[in-house]
Amino acid sequence: QKEVEQNSGPLSVPEGAIASLNCTYSDRVSQSFFWYRQYSGKSPELIMSIYSNGDKEDGRFTAQLNKASQYVSLLIRDSQPSDSATYLCAVHGSSNTGKLIFGQGTTLQVKP
Amino acid sequence: GAVVSQHPSRVICKSGTSVKIECRSLDFQATTMFWYRQFPKKSLMLMATSNEGSKATYEQGVEKDKFLINHASLTLSTLTVTSAHPEDSSFYICSAPRTSGGAGEQFFGPGTRLTVL
Repeated sequence: QKEVEQNSGPLSVPEGAIASLNCTYSDRVSQSFFWYRQYSGKSPELIMSIYSNGDKEDGRFTAQLNKASQYVSLLIRDSQPSDSATYLCAVHGSSNTGKLIFGQGTTLQVKP
Repeated sequence: GAVVSQHPSRVICKSGTSVKIECRSLDFQATTMFWYRQFPKKSLMLMATSNEGSKATYEQGVEKDKFLINHASLTLSTLTVTSAHPEDSSFYICSAPRTSGGAGEQFFGPGTRLTVL
């Protein structure tokens, strides 16, 4: 079982729709969770971090965390073609190494 | 603005040569930096953790003698790919945790695309 799992997609949504990206993780004591956006040929860009159960909203982005279910998600409202990218879920585990464990990424396509 | 820089952004070299990639934290000190490589359409693979003032910690399967890491100061880490071969062609990215951020929060450099002919 992979430590951090994402559906590789592609996930295709029409412009203006809500895109829902999901991620599950195996280490139950993980403390910190991140969503990165990566455009083709570019490095990852941090868009959301979440540390406690519940929802965290930032503009059109909402991260949701459920530690009991070991599940974290990212919702993108009013999706735009510019949101088309690969979204990487990353988990900071229980060790003190500072290392992040990445999922394989979900490719999102927003069609005009 | 960018908080982690990398240089060069792109390099093409001949097989057998060595290539040095620099990673700098611009507005904060980083006692730890991370080096990743990424193949096309694949996720990030952590290669090693760079530690200021001590040896780097390499992930399993990463050759220490091939990928030399030096954390020269609190703002600079370098990765040298020694005797590069075409299979080393990849996108190399560094990151640094920002202490003012949450636990585990990392900022990535823009990456270096290495092509070995």
